[in-house]
Amino acid sequence: SAVISQKPSRDICQRGTSLTIQCQVDSQVTMMFWYRQQPGQSLTLIATANQGSEATYESGFVIDKFPISRPNLTFSTLTVSNMSPEDSSIYLCSVGQGFLSVEQFFGPGTRLTVL
Amino acid sequence: DQQVKQNSPSLSVQEGRISILNCDYTNSMFDYFLWYKKYPAEGPTFLISISSIKDKNEDGRFTVFLNKSAKHLSLHIVPSQPGDSAVYFCAPIPFTGANSKLTFGKGITLSVRP
Repeated sequence: SAVISQKPSRDICQRGTSLTIQCQVDSQVTMMFWYRQQPGQSLTLIATANQGSEATYESGFVIDKFPISRPNLTFSTLTVSNMSPEDSSIYLCSVGQGFLSVEQFFGPGTRLTVL
Repeated sequence: DQQVKQNSPSLSVQEGRISILNCDYTNSMFDYFLWYKKYPAEGPTFLISISSIKDKNEDGRFTVFLNKSAKHLSLHIVPSQPGDSAVYFCAPIPFTGANSKLTFGKGITLSVRP
């Protein structure tokens, strides 16, 4: 399985600011995913990030609020813009392992608290 | 619209006994069903999966059963160990090729008492 790291592991931010979360994979992957887990809730997919194309966002998530970059096959960033306390969540990136594999492997997550 | 339901938010079992974690779904398009385990401050870890063409898949202490007509699956852990204490997520997927979207249930917190 791929080894996935995320930076930062946690942060406390002020309302109205932005935070960029980095996701690094130790192997090349076609698609990366960004999820959010709000307190007491399940994991919700924010967007799917392809290298070389625009990210595909799920219903309820927009590019202006969660811009994503995918500059190469091992790296992606998610920015949480103009933050409010409602954005306090764990943000996780995940990757698939190939065409015939259904499993996704997750990074350790970034715990964000917005004051 | 909650497509994946894990109606029991928590479960406590004695070490050595069986743990049974249930999951119900509504979307008949789901082809694969994955279980993930999550410890605090870590990302989810893939545990076991089952294809919709099977009704059972076993891997060591972990067995997943699928009842497609009832849209119900369950994860059995036997014997349960204290290290199994974690949150367990059911995550079905429609297999439209690799890297399809996972839909997670809310999770079940399993506590295994020594």
